[in-house]
Amino acid sequence: TQLLEQSPQFLSIQEGENLTVYCNSSSVFSSLQWYRQEPGEGPVLLVTVVTGGEVKKLKRLTFQFGDARKDSSLHITAAQPGDTGLYLCAGDGTGGFKTIFGAGTRLFVKA
Amino acid sequence: NAGVMQNPRHLVRRRGQEARLRCSPMKGHSHVYWYRQLPEEGLKFMVYLQKENIIDESGMPKERFSAEFPKEGPSILRIQQVVRGDSAAYFCASSPGGIETQYFGPGTRLLVL
Repeated sequence: TQLLEQSPQFLSIQEGENLTVYCNSSSVFSSLQWYRQEPGEGPVLLVTVVTGGEVKKLKRLTFQFGDARKDSSLHITAAQPGDTGLYLCAGDGTGGFKTIFGAGTRLFVKA
Repeated sequence: NAGVMQNPRHLVRRRGQEARLRCSPMKGHSHVYWYRQLPEEGLKFMVYLQKENIIDESGMPKERFSAEFPKEGPSILRIQQVVRGDSAAYFCASSPGGIETQYFGPGTRLLVL
């Protein structure tokens, strides 16, 4: 069974701090996606990483895909209250027809 | 270009009633996915449909749950004889093709009393 484990489950930090959240699996994924979900809304796609070792930047967010394509990390520089939300990683399930989601990291950035 | 639309946003049903959840994909998207999310959990895949076809329903319970995506009109997720354990947020997503690029709707929050 393919699983994606995210850590930490919950993170509360002060505005301006840096943070990294992780998404790990024992399975290989052809691609991984990162989403952010705010309360009462659906997830919004932030990035898709496809190549092992790939690094993508989105303003203050840096995403990395592990060399073996089994794990990924999201680093946020100088976090802001607007970064508050649930960060979900997701990958293609066996057969390529369904997406497997991690349980998410709930981030709270205090002003 | 309107995003993925779901209705109703909130649905309250009593045990034993039927729930019908609707999803209108983004214009030009012919692939629809349904997910269920319990509080404090990630999304669990239920079913993947293309126009008039169910491609993968491996995440959907065999009983009481069904899904369709007709040639015309929205995709429908139908839950018959609801039980309290069906209470959750149900999200649909659409894509123009591959699963890597899915656009999610705002969800329907189902509460079974």
